[in-house]
Amino acid sequence: DAGVTQSPTHLIKTRGQQVTLRCSPKSGHDTVSWYQQALGQGPQFIFQYYEEEERQRGNFPDRFSGHQFPNYSSELNVNALLLGDSALYLCASSFLVNTEAFFGQGTRLTVV
Amino acid sequence: QKEVEQDPGPLSVPEGAIVSLNCTYSNSAFQYFMWYRQYSRKGPELLMYTYSSGNKEDGRFTAQVDKSSKYISLFIRDSQPSDSATYLCAMSADAGGTSYGKLTFGQGTILTVHP
Repeated sequence: DAGVTQSPTHLIKTRGQQVTLRCSPKSGHDTVSWYQQALGQGPQFIFQYYEEEERQRGNFPDRFSGHQFPNYSSELNVNALLLGDSALYLCASSFLVNTEAFFGQGTRLTVV
Repeated sequence: QKEVEQDPGPLSVPEGAIVSLNCTYSNSAFQYFMWYRQYSRKGPELLMYTYSSGNKEDGRFTAQVDKSSKYISLFIRDSQPSDSATYLCAMSADAGGTSYGKLTFGQGTILTVHP
């Protein structure tokens, strides 16, 4: 059983560019959440998607947007990248809007 | 003040020791409590998942929740070098709460178990 998969694993972007990160949830899961983890910190909630709609959003600017597809996979888009956006971006999936969430290995984004 | 406080450590113990990891929280709406283990440059791995107060045991791991004190703990018995990782506590509110489905994490505690 494949767990949560994320792509790419590493990414280097230039300040001002745009980036798209992808996530495939664990088999049987229909809810996807995205988190940002800065070095030495716990993950911070960005937003959650269920039934192709954003259900909850954390304290992140509108530069962060997302999408969920009919097959439950999801994308995280970040526009106008800032140096401070450099972090590990984690995708978590669960069944329904549940808190027993399983994480992918993350995408490490470096903005230069 | 952060909603969830966790001592970042680092914590260093000899192999075989009992490890105690703790978090405190301020949001009384939290009902779901989790512990994750995160190895360097990897995603968090779910270790324990509990609802409301009480204890839960799984192998060498025991999770305790004391809602009256807003305090949760994870105990690791017979610790092994392979337990060396960052341990993250996470919490969420019940259905209907503003934090339902959203995990609020502690900062993480770095644990090293040396042979």
